[in-house]
Amino acid sequence: KNQVEQSPQSLIILEGKNCTLQCNYTVSPFSNLRWYKQDTGRGPVSLTIMTFSENTKSNGRYTATLDADTKQSSLHITASQLSDSASYICVVSEGSGTYKYIFGTGTRLKVLA
Amino acid sequence: KAGVTQTPRYLIKTRGQQVTLSCSPISGHRSVSWYQQTPGQGLQFLFEYFSETQRNKGNFPGRFSGRQFSNSRSEMNVSTLELGDSALYLCASQKGQGVNYGYTFGSGTRLTVV
Repeated sequence: KNQVEQSPQSLIILEGKNCTLQCNYTVSPFSNLRWYKQDTGRGPVSLTIMTFSENTKSNGRYTATLDADTKQSSLHITASQLSDSASYICVVSEGSGTYKYIFGTGTRLKVLA
Repeated sequence: KAGVTQTPRYLIKTRGQQVTLSCSPISGHRSVSWYQQTPGQGLQFLFEYFSETQRNKGNFPGRFSGRQFSNSRSEMNVSTLELGDSALYLCASQKGQGVNYGYTFGSGTRLTVV
């Protein structure tokens, strides 16, 4: 069964600190992996997208990594800001032509002043 | 460039009523998908429309239905509302059909059933 699991479920850090969120998946065949940021009460916004051949992708203070062999991805946030408080969702796309997106349940990040 | 527009933003209904939610995709986007998001379940796929045809459907009861118009705007209808239908309903659009295009989400409609 295709699944996407994220850890931790929630995380609290102090402003200015770094953090890393994890995403493990069992989706096969694999097409691509996206990280979304969702502010409370808003729709998710895409941060990065990576295909099979890409190991790392950055978007400002956000850096995503992908290990397609171990089927793991991480999202590293550098020098966190209060505005980083949000849910971060990992989404993996199937590559079988079924146009399926498998969503993780997200990591809820809280950045404290 | 306008984003994905969902209306209304908030809605309160009573059990047994029906509700219709609207989604206007980004201009030029022909694929529209609907998701239900609850705190415990995360994002759950409802259905996807492409060129006025339902292409994929999630595991939701028949009370949940949708349609897409020729201008790509989409509506979602829920009949005989239950308390458990309270959720954030998100619409997402993409330019074509396929996983390489990527979604752009709307801000959602917060439905509360009392």
